Amino acid sequence: SQKIEQNSEALNIQEGKTATLTCNYTNYSPAYLQWYRQDPGRGPVFLLLIRENEKEKRKERLKVTFDTTLKQSLFHITASQPADSATYLCALRDDKIIFGKGTRLHILP
Amino acid sequence: DSGVTQTPKHLITATGQRVTLRCSPRSGDLSVYWYQQSLDQGLQFLIHYYNGEERAKGNILERFSAQQFPDLHSELNLSSLELGDSALYFCASSPQTPAGRGSGANVLTFGAGSRLTVL
Repeated sequence: SQKIEQNSEALNIQEGKTATLTCNYTNYSPAYLQWYRQDPGRGPVFLLLIRENEKEKRKERLKVTFDTTLKQSLFHITASQPADSATYLCALRDDKIIFGKGTRLHILP
Repeated sequence: DSGVTQTPKHLITATGQRVTLRCSPRSGDLSVYWYQQSLDQGLQFLIHYYNGEERAKGNILERFSAQQFPDLHSELNLSSLELGDSALYFCASSPQTPAGRGSGANVLTFGAGSRLTVL
């Protein structure tokens, strides 16, 4: 079955810089890959979805790429702000929707 | 407010006891998913219901069971509780689930979670 790997180490980024988070999966390429944001003690909130035939998707300061050759998705936040500090999860559908453990992002003022 | 309602928000109970967690999905959503999140494990998929029928099961313990009722709300029953069952339990809902690979396009809307503490 699929496994999702996200860097479990926290990522510290200076305010105003671009934060880049990585999501790798192990088996077949999913038709869709999703990114969610989770704040402490709260439920995840959907951010972006990218299809396998899309190389890139943007929404305001967020950008997601999907490379089926590398089995990897990258999530970028440009002009990062302290309010962007959270855990970011990627998700895909195996026979069920599974999530990576997430990467904690800290934007330093 | 996401539109997905979970009750109770917090629950403290003792080992060996049984609890029921309740979820009301967003209006119009037919699918309900349950996830367990403990500190080291991330979001672990438990079970998925679509319009009252079980669609997929994760590594859900035999002590745990769930159902989705005709009004689409769902309940997760946890019995013979152990210390290790302490976790956040999330319910999520999504619209109609297409079959096959297209179902990966379903976006999940999560509730605020039920925090279970087993002492």
